[in-house]
Amino acid sequence: DSGVTQTPKHLITATGQRVTLRCSPRSGDLSVYWYQQSLDQGLQFLIQYYNGEERAKGNILERFSAQQFPDLHSELNLSSLELGDSALYFCASNRLAGNEQFFGPGTRLTVL
Amino acid sequence: QQPVQSPQAVILREGEDAVINCSSSKALYSVHWYRQKHGEAPVFLMILLKGGEQKGHDKISASFNEKKQQSSLYLTASQLSYSGTYFCGTEAYSSASKIIFGSGTRLSIRP
Repeated sequence: DSGVTQTPKHLITATGQRVTLRCSPRSGDLSVYWYQQSLDQGLQFLIQYYNGEERAKGNILERFSAQQFPDLHSELNLSSLELGDSALYFCASNRLAGNEQFFGPGTRLTVL
Repeated sequence: QQPVQSPQAVILREGEDAVINCSSSKALYSVHWYRQKHGEAPVFLMILLKGGEQKGHDKISASFNEKKQQSSLYLTASQLSYSGTYFCGTEAYSSASKIIFGSGTRLSIRP
């Protein structure tokens, strides 16, 4: 158990819908990272937040947005969902950028 | 830009050795290695920060050649528990704190 929690574990929805994925980092960790992993693919970096502020951005679609709240939990919002958005979404956290990242169990999103 | 990992897949017998390579076109600040078992989250193995640095973790070690922008992960006397997909993640000087992962190397260990 990494100490990072993600909810929900599974999510099934339809094209065109909007969903919110939630992540609670390890206690004391200020940085949160979001990754997308499609079937048998690598980890695609989406976005990083540090203490509530956006720190780095990857190949995140305009339909996707994220935020980190004062209590340091983070949410990833995915809208106008397409079939290709089906993937595992991981959240990771660490205390300092560049250090070991602790990954949550992931949210498996299926878009039908 | 995504680092390139090689090989894409490797099959070993228990006790054999393997080397997984990771190379980048960018000047690297650090290289991270993670292992992911099927259906699970990636788990941290090690970070290499300085050119020429080598680290070890049980029978898994790694090296980082900053000049060549390359890192290699060495698995010696492989065990069944080493099976999984290994990812290298690179942090470039031009984009600090952003870790870009390679596409992974799938390692299968046969008894």
